[in-house]
Amino acid sequence: QLQLQESGPGLVKPSETLSLTCTVSGGSISSSSYYWGWIRQPPGKGLEWIGSVYYSGSTYYNPSLKSRVTISVDTSKNQFSLKLSSVTAADTAVYYCARRDAVTSDAFDIWGQGTMVTVSS
Amino acid sequence: QSVLTQPPSASGTPGQRVTISCSGSSSNIGSNTVNWYQQLPGTAPKLLIYSNNQRPSGVPDRFSGSKSGTSASLAISGLQSEDEADYYCATWDDSLNGWVFGGGTKLTVL
Repeated sequence: QLQLQESGPGLVKPSETLSLTCTVSGGSISSSSYYWGWIRQPPGKGLEWIGSVYYSGSTYYNPSLKSRVTISVDTSKNQFSLKLSSVTAADTAVYYCARRDAVTSDAFDIWGQGTMVTVSS
Repeated sequence: QSVLTQPPSASGTPGQRVTISCSGSSSNIGSNTVNWYQQLPGTAPKLLIYSNNQRPSGVPDRFSGSKSGTSASLAISGLQSEDEADYYCATWDDSLNGWVFGGGTKLTVL
């Protein structure tokens, strides 16, 4: 069955760029039925959608983060990635990657386990 | 401040029926379908309800969803201790051009 796994540094310095990768296993990232997204959750708080990418490379971002976010896809590696620039302590959160089924449910139906990223010097 | 408004907490005793509300506006719930996620302590969210009232395979029929106008609700009947979790509503917002989540409701089984 399809699985998603986040990877990347757990600690990032303020003003630097946060970089994470999500590896998709058990299925192809190139399916036309799905979008691939990033969602984060600050400690003790709710969920915030960061942005999504289609296998073709088309993207759409949360307007509040758009100036700092880049999401890309590498179909040859079955991965997609997140870059968030100029981070501050407010970007400390658990970052999840997730699949959005655009055909059946139009919902994020499969999630990675999440990875904690702390912004601190 | 979340775009979708949920009560921060809810509670019930085993066997009871509880409902969790999610209030939005014409640009989100009023014009798009609502999804619900369950987040057990220390785990990733799990899709519980999609398209307002559809259950993914494996989700017990104790969980049900509904939508009316700019509000949606999640109902849990026959409450069980393992239902203790955080619950989030989510939908697309046409004005923001993005996915929005409610602030979450922490359900306690007394």
